[in-house]
Amino acid sequence: GQSLEQPSEVTAVEGAIVQINCTYQTSGFYGLSWYQQHDGGAPTFLSYNALDGLEETGRFSSFLSRSDSYGYLLLQELQMKDSASYFCAVRSNSGYALNFGKGTSLLVTP
Amino acid sequence: SAVISQKPSRDICQRGTSLTIQCQVDSQVTMMFWYRQQPGQSLTLIATANQGSEATYESGFVIDKFPISRPNLTFSTLTVSNMSPEDSSIYLCSVYRDSTGELFFGEGSRLTVL
Repeated sequence: GQSLEQPSEVTAVEGAIVQINCTYQTSGFYGLSWYQQHDGGAPTFLSYNALDGLEETGRFSSFLSRSDSYGYLLLQELQMKDSASYFCAVRSNSGYALNFGKGTSLLVTP
Repeated sequence: SAVISQKPSRDICQRGTSLTIQCQVDSQVTMMFWYRQQPGQSLTLIATANQGSEATYESGFVIDKFPISRPNLTFSTLTVSNMSPEDSSIYLCSVYRDSTGELFFGEGSRLTVL
């Protein structure tokens, strides 16, 4: 089967940097994705790593180590609007749909 | 980005009734995915809907409870049958729009079963 582990909650101060870790177990690996979801909203795509290393998109970066089955999402210059749930996800065993981790609730405080 | 419209956006239903959720995409897609998100929880895949074939259900979900139609490449419906309070959830449809691997979601249908 598949499993994804990520912290349930993280709190950080506005302007700071926060890292959300994700470890996964899957028989077939097609890359690690990250999604953001605000309360009452739909999940939205943040990043995707298929190969080892760091991908940077503005204030957000994502890292993958396939040998460690590990990745993280790095949020810099935190803003209040970054308060949301963040999900890591891997392709399902069928290779098509995504299976999501339980999510990390990020609270950014003044 | 893909535009996905879901109806209804929310509904309050009585136990034992059924409700059909519609999902319309603004372009043709091969696969459509239906997810459930229970309050405060993650997204759980219900089934994958391909046009012209029966939907593929994930473990724990069965066709009798969640029948799915996929009559064409832009539309799908998910029915939640014989509802109980445990079915109170947000139901989301999603599609891949292009080769980037980005999954787009509809705004979801929030169902409350009394």
